[in-house]
Amino acid sequence: DQQVKQNSPSLSVQEGRISILNCDYTNSMFDYFLWYKKYPAEGPTFLISISSIKDKNEDGRFTVFLNKSAKHLSLHIVPSQPGDSAVYFCAASALGSGGSNYKLTFGKGTLLTVNP
Amino acid sequence: EPEVTQTPSHQVTQMGQEVILRCVPISNHLYFYWYRQILGQKVEFLVSFYNNEISEKSEIFDDQFSVERPDGSNFTLKIRSTKLEDSAMYFCASSDRIPLHFGNGTRLTVT
Repeated sequence: DQQVKQNSPSLSVQEGRISILNCDYTNSMFDYFLWYKKYPAEGPTFLISISSIKDKNEDGRFTVFLNKSAKHLSLHIVPSQPGDSAVYFCAASALGSGGSNYKLTFGKGTLLTVNP
Repeated sequence: EPEVTQTPSHQVTQMGQEVILRCVPISNHLYFYWYRQILGQKVEFLVSFYNNEISEKSEIFDDQFSVERPDGSNFTLKIRSTKLEDSAMYFCASSDRIPLHFGNGTRLTVT
């Protein structure tokens, strides 16, 4: 039961170009979305997030776009740098459903390789 | 910057043995979590913990698993009788609310 899907296992881009990572979700209860970056032998590191009341959030080189009607979000990295090479996980939370936790549901991840 | 620390980084155990994975969450956080990632698969939720009790657990978190916050700083995951399929990276996370902050994980290998 994949509630969060990242259909591209890998992506390769040239340094300086734009990287676009995609994510789809099926659970309509999700109302908060996050991107995490993971290097080998490390835990996921929070990168950027977006609430369902917004359609765009920008932080430096990173921008997340949310299309609620399509249940789709994307992460844009521009310009891409070799140090961005990592696995990127899309994650979602149902904050509005109440309960005493902020559990995340993760996608399978996309391995981004930025070539010099 | 405060971080979540996990020990050990790698644990090898024999099938049927008990293991305890340890975590020190970020000090002012109130919500604690365990996730696992089997090699090549996604990061899966195991359990969340708040106010000294489990707030949610997944189907994976069966009677073989337990969590404890034995003192004000540690958060542990115990697997009572390990199986081969328990081999995975186990990540602890903590949060004030959102986002979650993850440790670097414990690689558990069950032989």
